[in-house]
Amino acid sequence: ILNVEQSPQSLHVQEGDSTNFTCSFPSSNFYALHWYRWETAKSPEALFVMTLNGDEKKKGRISATLNTKEGYSYLYIKGSQPEDSATYLCALGNNNDMRFGAGTRLTVKP
Amino acid sequence: EAQVTQNPRYLITVTGKKLTVTCSQNMNHEYMSWYRQDPGLGLRQIYYSMNVEVTDKGDVPEGYKVSRKEKRNFPLILESPSPNQTSLYFCASSPNSGAGYTFGSGTRLTVV
Repeated sequence: ILNVEQSPQSLHVQEGDSTNFTCSFPSSNFYALHWYRWETAKSPEALFVMTLNGDEKKKGRISATLNTKEGYSYLYIKGSQPEDSATYLCALGNNNDMRFGAGTRLTVKP
Repeated sequence: EAQVTQNPRYLITVTGKKLTVTCSQNMNHEYMSWYRQDPGLGLRQIYYSMNVEVTDKGDVPEGYKVSRKEKRNFPLILESPSPNQTSLYFCASSPNSGAGYTFGSGTRLTVV
């Protein structure tokens, strides 16, 4: 079983703070690492797909890094805004399936 | 508009009454998958399909069936629902195994 662990489980920050959270996964048989953003009452939306060790992706104020050798990925949000409040999911994608972590629930207070 | 369409959005049913949750995608994606979301747990895969007539079990397949007779449709069947199948269900599709999923809007199922 491939366990994908995310930490912290929840996070409360003030508007304007920068923050980051972690996704850990088994480093063997790595195929792809995915980040999703899931707002309440909506569906998860894909943020990034990363496949290579050392990959860095950026989308506006959100960026992610990947270390496949040690089995972790970081998601960073610079200058958090209330609209960033959501659950951020990471998922380990292999040939046949995608295994999700339980998510980090981010709340940004105005 | 490219999308994954699930129906119904909400369903309350009784134990043992067969039901089907439909899922359709208009993006010609090869991969389709069903997940359930329960409090405190990540999305758990029920079944997935790599192409027409090719399906396989995910992590929690017990009590569920699927079929993939056409590329666009991937219905989830609960032959005899039980209360422990009360959950939020998502259908998702992807063009290939390395790409991200596009999710449907979810089906909140309550079995009483």
